[in-house]
Amino acid sequence: DGGITQSPKYLFRKEGQNVTLSCEQNLNHDAMYWYRQDPGQGLRLIYYSQIVNDFQKGDIAEGYSVSREKKESFPLTVTSAQKNPTAFYLCASSLLASIPEQFFGPGTRLTVL
Amino acid sequence: QKEVEQNSGPLSVPEGAIASLNCTYSDRGSQSFFWYRQYSGKSPELIMSIYSNGDKEDGRFTAQLNKASQYVSLLIRDSQPSDSATYLCAVNTASSARQLTFGSGTQLTVLP
Repeated sequence: DGGITQSPKYLFRKEGQNVTLSCEQNLNHDAMYWYRQDPGQGLRLIYYSQIVNDFQKGDIAEGYSVSREKKESFPLTVTSAQKNPTAFYLCASSLLASIPEQFFGPGTRLTVL
Repeated sequence: QKEVEQNSGPLSVPEGAIASLNCTYSDRGSQSFFWYRQYSGKSPELIMSIYSNGDKEDGRFTAQLNKASQYVSLLIRDSQPSDSATYLCAVNTASSARQLTFGSGTQLTVLP
């Protein structure tokens, strides 16, 4: 089955730790995205990548980092510099950067203890 | 002014009624419009895309776009309790370099 997978589903982090969220897709999509969702709010764009080995900051990139070494994978690292990291993190992909329809993975819920 | 605005609700309708969800956007250069459904604790699911003025129907769902008035709406006919979810409007704004800007969502409850 084609789709987007994210792991883990739930993640608990102590303050001061970096954590990496996994996102993998087998849809052969060029573009991938990371969003953050806080309760009662819409999605805010953290980073996006239109092609391999290239990525751009979104609206709230501070405290986050990404890599895009393979077309299928777009991991997100939440660093200790992110002041309020507790949130629902969503990875999405689209066939091409010029095609705006995005499809989402199941999400990772990160809680900072 | 937010780029994409939705009434947060909650919106309650009885089973079998028509649910009407509205979204306004500020960027006149916006070209693509999407509705996502998000069940509690789950990720958004794309249910409708609309690109030109007018109506687009898909089963019980109708998306309506009026670029002159800068609004897009979603009608759900014969609403079912399984339609109870948060509905997110997303707009591909000209100012965002082809990225999607999301509204904060409207929570819909369909009462049996």
